[in-house]
Amino acid sequence: DVKVTQSSRYLVKRTGEKVFLECVQDMDHENMFWYRQDPGLGLRLIYFSYDVKMKEKGDIPEGYSVSREKKERFSLILESASTNQTSMYLCASSFQSRGSGANVLTFGAGSRLTVL
Amino acid sequence: AQTVTQSQPEMSVQEAETVTLSCTYDTSESDYYLFWYKQPPSRQMILVIRQEAYKQQNATENRFSVNFQKAAKSFSLKISDSQLGDAAMYFCAYRSTNTGNQFYFGTGTSLTVIP
Repeated sequence: DVKVTQSSRYLVKRTGEKVFLECVQDMDHENMFWYRQDPGLGLRLIYFSYDVKMKEKGDIPEGYSVSREKKERFSLILESASTNQTSMYLCASSFQSRGSGANVLTFGAGSRLTVL
Repeated sequence: AQTVTQSQPEMSVQEAETVTLSCTYDTSESDYYLFWYKQPPSRQMILVIRQEAYKQQNATENRFSVNFQKAAKSFSLKISDSQLGDAAMYFCAYRSTNTGNQFYFGTGTSLTVIP
């Protein structure tokens, strides 16, 4: 019954490494999101995508990039990981109907990244 | 961007009792959606309840209900007959109907249920 799958639950990387976080959804959702979750700060939007090859910056895009080559897959890339990117990363997806109450977020289980 | 404020970082409740989690938001829009999400420890974030701003009736889902005060821009969550499984982080969220792709979240309230 898994609908949004994040490839890694826990990752440990070194400063300067390139990091890929993968997210796959099987609900045919148009929208996909990457959030960062930190204690006391809630969820902050990094990037979102409303269609294949389309992306928009969220509130904290610096140091991150994304890729959406297929509708079901949305990747978050840290080109050169830094210690201040140690965090929990949440992927989510939703339909695109603006006026519909059915447009709710479905989340993945999260990826906890530690950068040493 | 809309702001969502949860002023209670932590709350606790005795098992079987009732607890209310607070949420306020700032918007100039008249039509929008509000949500409460639950994140159990080390588990996936799930939707608890949603409210459409144009509906005056407060949403209810079993033991979970909301008190939606549109003029006050307040959206509190009431959990009745609290159970141990209700222990989690609770996030309040806002979604515009104009820019319906983006959701705005509060900072969360950590709920402890005391046996």
